[in-house]
Amino acid sequence: EPEVTQTPSHQVTQMGQEVILRCVPISNHLYFYWYRQILGQKVEFLVSFYNNEISEKSEIFDDQFSVERPDGSNFTLKIRSTKLEDSAMYFCATKDQRSTDTQYFGPGTRLTVL
Amino acid sequence: GESVGLHLPTLSVQEGDNSIINCAYSNSASDYFIWYKQESGKGPQFIIDIRSNMDKRQGQRVTVLLNKTVKHLSLQIAATQPGDSAVYFCAETRGGSYIPTFGRGTSLIVHP
Repeated sequence: EPEVTQTPSHQVTQMGQEVILRCVPISNHLYFYWYRQILGQKVEFLVSFYNNEISEKSEIFDDQFSVERPDGSNFTLKIRSTKLEDSAMYFCATKDQRSTDTQYFGPGTRLTVL
Repeated sequence: GESVGLHLPTLSVQEGDNSIINCAYSNSASDYFIWYKQESGKGPQFIIDIRSNMDKRQGQRVTVLLNKTVKHLSLQIAATQPGDSAVYFCAETRGGSYIPTFGRGTSLIVHP
């Protein structure tokens, strides 16, 4: 069964450094999402992406965050200057068409900012 | 119900029992609801969904009930198995947005 994959599984970085989290969507999916989950807390929406542009974004998704599809396959989340409070699990999710609401989540990347 | 800090509501059941996990939502405009299962170290996994024009939907061993009057959603798992042990989140969307807003979750522990 096709699945969403994410790399790396765990990223440790120093505060102020840039990180790029990568996601490979299911091949025929057109809608892409990033969520984060701080340890022990609920999942929070960050951003949705369709047709090479951001569709919606939350208050969390400030100027330090950006997303892109650099090669038509990968979907990336970049954090330009990480802060301690960016430490969380980051989940990518994808969806195949607008009329289908089900999002399929990847296994997540655990980001630890020291 | 809601929890405080890092502690999730927990439901402990014996293998073979039926489990009922509850979720309250606050926005009467919510029109689509989803239950997700999240196992330790993994991403959320879609279980079942329901639209606001329905009050019950059944899947394989799972049933979702929606009571719009009291803004309450429940997930029933029949013949619970140890593999069902996980955190279960409800999520809601509204107004045509496909972005779910997640609840905090309930931890289901199934004892063999």
